[in-house]
Amino acid sequence: DAMVIQNPRYQVTQFGKPVTLSCSQTLNHNVMYWYQQKSSQAPKLLFHYYDKDFNNEADTPDNFQSRRPNTSFCFLDIRSPGLGDAAMYLCATSWGTSEYTQYFGPGTRLTVL
Amino acid sequence: GENVEQHPSTLSVQEGDSAVIKCTYSDSASNYFPWYKQELGKRPQLIIDIRSNVGEKKDQRIAVTLNKTAKHFSLHITETQPEDSAVYFCAAILQNTGFQKLVFGTGTRLLVSP
Repeated sequence: DAMVIQNPRYQVTQFGKPVTLSCSQTLNHNVMYWYQQKSSQAPKLLFHYYDKDFNNEADTPDNFQSRRPNTSFCFLDIRSPGLGDAAMYLCATSWGTSEYTQYFGPGTRLTVL
Repeated sequence: GENVEQHPSTLSVQEGDSAVIKCTYSDSASNYFPWYKQELGKRPQLIIDIRSNVGEKKDQRIAVTLNKTAKHFSLHITETQPEDSAVYFCAAILQNTGFQKLVFGTGTRLLVSP
């Protein structure tokens, strides 16, 4: 009965080696978000898709990109991971971007060696 | 600017006591205020939310109050239990250029001692 699924749960990559994180949802929600959460901090929004429309946060580094090939799936691509990109990456979904509840996936913990 | 302030950053209580966490926000147009509980290594989970057309909402031991005039909202947990120990994040929907987004407070680490 998982609603927002993230794979893998743990990802180890090398400095500079591209990595892709995956998110899928069974809720048929319009909006999918990617957040970065570092230890003891609040989740920080990187970007989101409303259907096929991509919205990037102004302070999201160019190193981070996203793809949403269909309603159910969304990917986070980190082109050249640095040590500072080690974090928990959370995917979330919602019906809309206003007063709609966001449902979070379990997260992918990224380690950069 | 978009801002949600949360206090305290840590809160230690004895089992059975009440706990209160407070947040303030900057955007008077904000209309949705969720609270998330995050246990170590797990996802944030919605525990309660409130919309701007009500001043208070309660769900068993958890309640949230909203004062739109003062732009602050609070989480109240009564009869705390050790399993309530977690980090709690408040959030508010804030207007951004072109869309509304959820902005989180800095989190409160709640520790309930048996």
